[in-house]
Amino acid sequence: QVVLTQSPSASASLGASVKLTCTLISGHSSYAIAWHQFQPEKGPRFLMKVNSDGSHIKGDGTPDRFSGSSSGTERYLIISSLQSEDEADYYCQTWATGIDWVFGGGTRLTVL
Amino acid sequence: QVQLVESGGGVVQPGGSLRLSCAASGFTFSSYSLHWVRQSPGKGLEWVAEISYDGSKKYYAESVKGRITIARDNSKNTLYLQMNSLRPEDTAVYYCAREAGSHDTSGYPDYWGQGTLVAVSS
Repeated sequence: QVVLTQSPSASASLGASVKLTCTLISGHSSYAIAWHQFQPEKGPRFLMKVNSDGSHIKGDGTPDRFSGSSSGTERYLIISSLQSEDEADYYCQTWATGIDWVFGGGTRLTVL
Repeated sequence: QVQLVESGGGVVQPGGSLRLSCAASGFTFSSYSLHWVRQSPGKGLEWVAEISYDGSKKYYAESVKGRITIARDNSKNTLYLQMNSLRPEDTAVYYCAREAGSHDTSGYPDYWGQGTLVAVSS
């Protein structure tokens, strides 16, 4: 069973950087994940796919301020130069053969 | 640009039925697998169902199997979710999503709709 763990909340100041973490269950360090942003009053948006080697593929329109990386079973979403519109819920998601989409519990990011 | 627009949500009594639609534009609809994902109030995301690009393969979450049917009409660029025997725990915002990669199973959505709310209550 593939499980993704995220901290429920995070906060950072306007203009600062923040690193959100998505942890795969032990033994799944080869899995890629995708990051999605759910902004209030807006539809969800795919941000990027992050591979186990840290390489990532961004979605159309994902700002350059957003990047991804990996270390072991952890996958990261790094947001630099935080803006007020970055305040949102961020979900990681993964998949495997025979297993459809699995989502983490989400992290609510507050921009101070 | 790619657009997915859901409709058909509303309030329904337990045991009732509802059909959701997702109108797509801006891409070759018949080349992509499509999914439904839901989010219950105050809770996380749950994958609901998937249909292959040609409609030949369908997959369902255990929680909805036997009660929900996914379908598509490639001539109308529209995805559907027929929901029967609805329960209060089906209350959620339902999103349609396109799986990245045409004629492929990439494993993740690259476009989402804005969602439609289904409320099951007496």
